[in-house]
Amino acid sequence: EPEVTQTPSHQVTQMGQEVILRCVPISNHLYFYWYRQILGQKVEFLVSFYNNEISEKSEIFDDQFSVERPDGSNFTLKIRSTKLEDSAMYFCASIVTRVGGYTFGSGTRLTVV
Amino acid sequence: KNEVEQSPQNLTAQEGEFITINCSYSVGISALHWLQQHPGGGIVSLFMLSSGKKKHGRLIATINIQEKHSSLHITASHPRDSAVYICAVRYIGRTGNQFYFGTGTSLTVIP
Repeated sequence: EPEVTQTPSHQVTQMGQEVILRCVPISNHLYFYWYRQILGQKVEFLVSFYNNEISEKSEIFDDQFSVERPDGSNFTLKIRSTKLEDSAMYFCASIVTRVGGYTFGSGTRLTVV
Repeated sequence: KNEVEQSPQNLTAQEGEFITINCSYSVGISALHWLQQHPGGGIVSLFMLSSGKKKHGRLIATINIQEKHSSLHITASHPRDSAVYICAVRYIGRTGNQFYFGTGTSLTVIP
C-alpha cells in the first residue's frame, strides 16, 4: 500500500537553528498538509499546499515557517529559527482529491533544546 | 472551547470486551475521520465517513449527521488495539479543507 514517508523520524536541534522536515507524499496525490502535535495535546493544522502554493494556513504558521515542493516529489517544512515551543511531532499528510481522506506520514519528532 | 469533543478521555477494557468511543461536534461537517495513533506517535487512518456506517474487520464506525455525533466500536477487543483513537472533522463552509482534531481517547486493553 502506498505510503507517505517522512524524514528524519527524530531531530534534535539547538534553539535558533533552522530545521527542514521532509515528506514524500504519495505520487498521485495533489493536496499536501503539515500538522503538528505538541506532546499531550491535540493535532493542530499548520498549512495546506496545492498546485505549488499555499492554499490555507493557520495562525501557528507565522513568518518562521515556510513550505515548498522543490522537485515535484519532496514536500518540505522549514522552520527558520527554532524556539523551544516548536518542539512537537510534525505530521505530513496527503490526499488525492480535495474531499478525500488523509494518508499520514509516520511523523518527525522535533526536539528543540 | 474544543469544537470536537471525544469521550471518554481514557478507557481501560478487558480483552474481549466491546468498546465504544464517542465523538461529537458543533456544526455541520462534510467528513469525519477516525484515526489511530500508536504509542510511537504514528497516525493511521481507520475510516472516513460522511454518512451511515462503515466496517473493517473488528472496527465499526457510525455517524449521525442530525445529532452531530459519531461512534467508533471495537468488537472482541485485543491488547494490540491499545492506542489513542482520534476523531477529526472537516467543516462545511469554512475556507480550506483541513481537518480539526479532537483530543483523543486513550484505550488500554488488558489481557
